[in-house]
Amino acid sequence: DTEVTQTPKHLVMGMTNKKSLKCEQHMGHRAMYWYKQKAKKPPELMFVYSYEKLSINESVPSRFSPECPNSSLLNLHLHALQPEDSALYLCASSRRLAGRTDTQYFGPGTRLTVL
Amino acid sequence: AQKVTQAQTEISVVEKEDVTLDCVYETRDTTYYLFWYKQPPSGELVFLIRRNSFDEQNEISGRYSWNFQKSTSSFNFTITASQVVDSAVYFCALSEATSNTGKLIFGQGTTLQVKP
Repeated sequence: DTEVTQTPKHLVMGMTNKKSLKCEQHMGHRAMYWYKQKAKKPPELMFVYSYEKLSINESVPSRFSPECPNSSLLNLHLHALQPEDSALYLCASSRRLAGRTDTQYFGPGTRLTVL
Repeated sequence: AQKVTQAQTEISVVEKEDVTLDCVYETRDTTYYLFWYKQPPSGELVFLIRRNSFDEQNEISGRYSWNFQKSTSSFNFTITASQVVDSAVYFCALSEATSNTGKLIFGQGTTLQVKP
């Protein structure tokens, strides 16, 4: 089973709202990732968690706040976003910190629209 | 510097035609991994294949085949007898073993449209 789930599928929020994206995997993977993808572009890495600890932050603005409550869950808290933050947000997981041998498996994504 | 180039932005074929998607990569690492992902309109990135730099064997999986050539730094993907369901954006990606970041370097993607 290589399933990563994400909720919600779609989210519309105002610039003053606070919302959260959720990602879950039950494959025993210990590395989890957040990506942002704009239309007709490849995914861009935002954050990497390894063994529930933040290992990489790709200079992401503080209005995006990641959280890894346990090895199966990854959240992305959103606050005071801008319209240019509208994008597809993808979560991925791998057995351990990738870049070595492990494949990243992606969820279906959350389509975020910021009004 | 690491880089992945997918020179074909869009390809349109008629069903049952064969189609090859090109991928050229740049890296200074001797150990690296190459991937292909498929992204249908629904948005999910679907893993297709991973190849490490020490394994140059070509691979075939059903209608899909991959040709890895280190001499030309290419990792091309061929779909035989294409079907409408193959319509998607296809990404080639590179991961360097020494980067310690888990980062995938994606190409810009090739949009494949298969017409009935």
